[in-house]
Amino acid sequence: AQKITQTQPGMFVQEKEAVTLDCTYDTSDPSYGLFWYKQPSSGEMIFLIYQGSYDQQNATEGRYSLNFQKARKSANLVISASQLGDSAMYFCAMSRNSGNTPLVFGKGTRLSVIA
Amino acid sequence: DVKVTQSSRYLVKRTGEKVFLECVQDMDHENMFWYRQDPGLGLRLIYFSYDVKMKEKGDIPEGYSVSREKKERFSLILESASTNQTSMYLCASSLRVGGGYTFGSGTRLTVV
Repeated sequence: AQKITQTQPGMFVQEKEAVTLDCTYDTSDPSYGLFWYKQPSSGEMIFLIYQGSYDQQNATEGRYSLNFQKARKSANLVISASQLGDSAMYFCAMSRNSGNTPLVFGKGTRLSVIA
Repeated sequence: DVKVTQSSRYLVKRTGEKVFLECVQDMDHENMFWYRQDPGLGLRLIYFSYDVKMKEKGDIPEGYSVSREKKERFSLILESASTNQTSMYLCASSLRVGGGYTFGSGTRLTVV
């Protein structure tokens, strides 16, 4: 069975600093995808970034990058130059590319950006 | 702009009531999902549907049912609401079951 582990319930970061949110996963499938979502206090889940298990390079989207270490089964989200608007819950999720199974989500990390 | 719309942002219902949570998407997606979100537990899958009139149980289907009569609409039904169903409910849709999701804004349900 697939599992996502986010070990940091909450984190603080100073504005303009970089921050890393941890995500480890467990799967026996060779083909899978990894996602990060942001959930502001408004409640809506916002897609941030995707990494496929066969992608050679780490995914980047603006200030977001995914530090993918396949051997360690980790998919950490790095946010550079944190902004106050980055304060939110962040969820890591994974999919199986084979089969018809929904995304599995971690428990989330609450990030607070301090001015 | 593509959208998933949940009919209510906030809902208060009484114990024992039958509750309908509605979700509509305009992206012609085959797949739709209902999750509930609770502090410290993350998102847990209740039910999903990969086609009209098709449904699959997720991890926590007890106390819930679903209806998908049209492709764009996926309803979550609490047959007899209980206080332990007080939660945030999130609807999502996707092109592939294992693909990226587009989420609705969520419905925060309180059962008193």
